Amino acid sequence: DSGVTQTPKHLITATGQRVTLRCSPRSGDLSVYWYQQSLDQGLQFLIQYYNGEERAKGNILERFSAQQFPDLHSELNLSSLELGDSALYFCASNPDPRNTEAFFGQGTRLTVV
Amino acid sequence: AQTVTQSQPEMSVQEAETVTLSCTYDTSESDYYLFWYKQPPSRQMILVIRQEAYKQQNATENRFSVNFQKAAKSFSLKISDSQLGDAAMYFCAYRIFQGAQKLVFGQGTRLTINP
Repeated sequence: DSGVTQTPKHLITATGQRVTLRCSPRSGDLSVYWYQQSLDQGLQFLIQYYNGEERAKGNILERFSAQQFPDLHSELNLSSLELGDSALYFCASNPDPRNTEAFFGQGTRLTVV
Repeated sequence: AQTVTQSQPEMSVQEAETVTLSCTYDTSESDYYLFWYKQPPSRQMILVIRQEAYKQQNATENRFSVNFQKAAKSFSLKISDSQLGDAAMYFCAYRIFQGAQKLVFGQGTRLTINP
């Protein structure tokens, strides 16, 4: 158990809908990362937050947004969902971005039908 | 842009034998980190081993070791005495030393252990 908690574990929704994925980082970790793992794109970095502020952005679609709250948990919002958004979404955390190791949650499996 | 390439989509090995997974990367940076992550069927991403680019000595963690060739931009993983629990997807990943701390992943190698 990495200490990073993601909910829900599985999510099935219809095209056009909006969902929210939640991540609770390890206790004390200030930095949160979101990654998408899909069959065609592999593991791709989406976005990073550090202590509530956006730190870096990757290949995140405009339909997707994220935030990190004062209690350091983070949410990834996916809207106007398309079939191609079906993927495994990972959250990872570490105490400080300078730490080399990021601890991953078990992911949320999103299926868009 | 940094890229990571794993040229072996699948590998298999007999239990107790040794297997080597290949990884090459492309970067113009001189300071960076390289990682091997394991993803078993549980989907959890587990760090196997880490190498700092400024270190000439190859990293070792128990049965896992790397062959880091900086000039060739090669970073292979050797698993000795393979065990059934080693069966998983293995991902090679890269991260620059400073700046954006995102991980750049390869496409993965599926490792099967034959009993």
